[in-house]
Amino acid sequence: GAVVSQHPSWVICKSGTSVKIECRSLDFQATTMFWYRQFPKQSLMLMATSNEGSKATYEQGVEKDKFLINHASLTLSTLTVTSAHPEDSSFYICSAPDRATEAFFGQGTRLTVV
Amino acid sequence: RKEVEQDPGPFNVPEGATVAFNCTYSNSASQSFFWYRQDCRKEPKLLMSVYSSGNEDGRFTAQLNRASQYISLLIRDSKLSDSATYLCVASGGSYIPTFGRGTSLIVHP
Repeated sequence: GAVVSQHPSWVICKSGTSVKIECRSLDFQATTMFWYRQFPKQSLMLMATSNEGSKATYEQGVEKDKFLINHASLTLSTLTVTSAHPEDSSFYICSAPDRATEAFFGQGTRLTVV
Repeated sequence: RKEVEQDPGPFNVPEGATVAFNCTYSNSASQSFFWYRQDCRKEPKLLMSVYSSGNEDGRFTAQLNRASQYISLLIRDSKLSDSATYLCVASGGSYIPTFGRGTSLIVHP
């Protein structure tokens, strides 16, 4: 089946620094990828839709200047959390549909900001 | 009102029990429905798609009621390994999955 690889799986960073998370589709091309965030005991919340070759679409309440998304190729999307703060600590997951019937997920990145 | 709602549980059942989860969705334009399973601190994984005619995969049965806008998942003969969070997903034609909060299932010996 389709595989989506996400790195790193976990990261600890200091407040004020930036963290980049990569999401790769390994055996298919993904013109669209989705970035989700999940706080403990909460649902997966869509943050933004990453579009290859164009600007990402952000959900209401998500700061585009803080969560930078780049979809430089058909197999790679990156999410950069800039000037991270402890409240940004969360589980971030990317997803890519290989067709309009199923979403494949990366392994997720657990971000802890200290 | 959330777009996809689920009872968060937890559902605490003994091995061998039958358990049912329900999920309601508010967007009548939703076209595709799925159940995902998520283990603690892991990514969600597709359990099964949900079709209007209903579908069954071993011990799991999923059903869709478009008129009432709800989806159900039935698990028969529960196993310890079924313990997880079950996420209901609805999506529209452009396929942006919208997740429910998830229902926690704990199967005990």
